[in-house]
Amino acid sequence: GAGVSQTPSNKVTEKGKYVELRCDPISGHTALYWYRQSLGQGPEFLIYFQGTGAADDSGLPNDRFFAVRPEGSVSTLKIQRTERGDSAVYLCASSFRGESTEAFFGQGTRLTVV
Amino acid sequence: SQELEQSPQSLIVQEGKNLTINCTSSKTLYGLYWYKQKYGEGLIFLMMLQKGGEEKSHEKITAKLDEKKQQSSLHITASQPSHAGIYLCGADSGGSNYKLTFGKGTLLTVNP
Repeated sequence: GAGVSQTPSNKVTEKGKYVELRCDPISGHTALYWYRQSLGQGPEFLIYFQGTGAADDSGLPNDRFFAVRPEGSVSTLKIQRTERGDSAVYLCASSFRGESTEAFFGQGTRLTVV
Repeated sequence: SQELEQSPQSLIVQEGKNLTINCTSSKTLYGLYWYKQKYGEGLIFLMMLQKGGEEKSHEKITAKLDEKKQQSSLHITASQPSHAGIYLCGADSGGSNYKLTFGKGTLLTVNP
């Protein structure tokens, strides 16, 4: 596609439910990043993929959060047993190399946990 | 960990006016990035600064990094409504150029 695509654009879920957020990066980009942006805050790093592997997952807040990129393209961020504090905009970015200066961001998925 | 402080938090200007947004780091900056964000949209990369004293310009936007590499400013000349949005500064933690720490952003409103 022309840009980084994230689906859904909005997701409302009940506390305790499981959600999956999808990111479709720009074709050919080997690096993929997930960030989380809470209201009134800057984005916070979650995880970085180089190809299929998670090169750095140090930003994942706890073991309820997990992300995969099985074929080195599309990535899915999975959140188990959602809590109200998980409500935020989840941003995905991709780049040709692992350098944020070249990263292109998607429009984000706004997750609301009620 | 590195922290970035942006000022002001919000700014309202009249179209045509100049403005400056500041970003101050608690540690020496290895790379300083400026992004723009509109509501419901992703981040748009504006500029990256690495060297002390470096200055870059794109159209009416100029970004500078001070000599000590702990403060950056973003200056907009003759602002237009299209400049409205949230401006974010981000810094890499030196050696981890894929993982940025961001400030909280500056909300810019430009009144026609």
